Amino acid sequence: DTAVSQTPKYLVTQMGNDKSIKCEQNLGHDTMYWYKQDSKKFLKIMFSYNNKELIINETVPNRFSPKSPDKAHLNLHINSLELGDSAVYFCASSPNIGITDTQYFGPGTRLTVL
Amino acid sequence: GEDVEQSLFLSVREGDSSVINCTYTDSSSTYLYWYKQEPGAGLQLLTYIFSNMDMKQDQRLTVLLNKKDKHLSLRIADTQTGDSAIYFCADSNSGYALNFGKGTSLLVTP
Repeated sequence: DTAVSQTPKYLVTQMGNDKSIKCEQNLGHDTMYWYKQDSKKFLKIMFSYNNKELIINETVPNRFSPKSPDKAHLNLHINSLELGDSAVYFCASSPNIGITDTQYFGPGTRLTVL
Repeated sequence: GEDVEQSLFLSVREGDSSVINCTYTDSSSTYLYWYKQEPGAGLQLLTYIFSNMDMKQDQRLTVLLNKKDKHLSLRIADTQTGDSAIYFCADSNSGYALNFGKGTSLLVTP
């Protein structure tokens, strides 16, 4: 019944590795997002996809590659992980893209890079 | 991006009212939001207000918006220990994504 789900919830890995985080929403929304929350709890948009098309890429290193196989999924693949990538990553979705649409967030994935 | 500013900490006694303040700079924001994050949990949408409204009340929550001063506040009446969390103010970043403040940590003491 979870509206926006993410896997895994926790991810601990070594520097230099490649990892993926998956996100799925069952709300029938057209737009999905990835946000990063750093150790100081500061939340910042990373990417937004609308109907599988990339809308926003907020100066995120190209080691981060989002992939949207369909409207209900937006996965985040990270290459060559660095210590600074340690954060909580939140997926979100909204009915459509636009200022009137409320975003619903997943539970977050806590990534720790050692 | 445009800035959203909040005070970082607030401590209140159980049963008192809490007021969390926020200022924003993006005058084109049509909706402004309050999200709650409990320890170790995700973000929960608490409430939002349309920019042509001055006030919105939802049970114990009251949102006040002063569009001229770009000031938003969230009042929680009869604050309970379960209200202890981080509260994020957000506006819409050019209509495509949320632009969050740094969050206000609310501590409710018995």
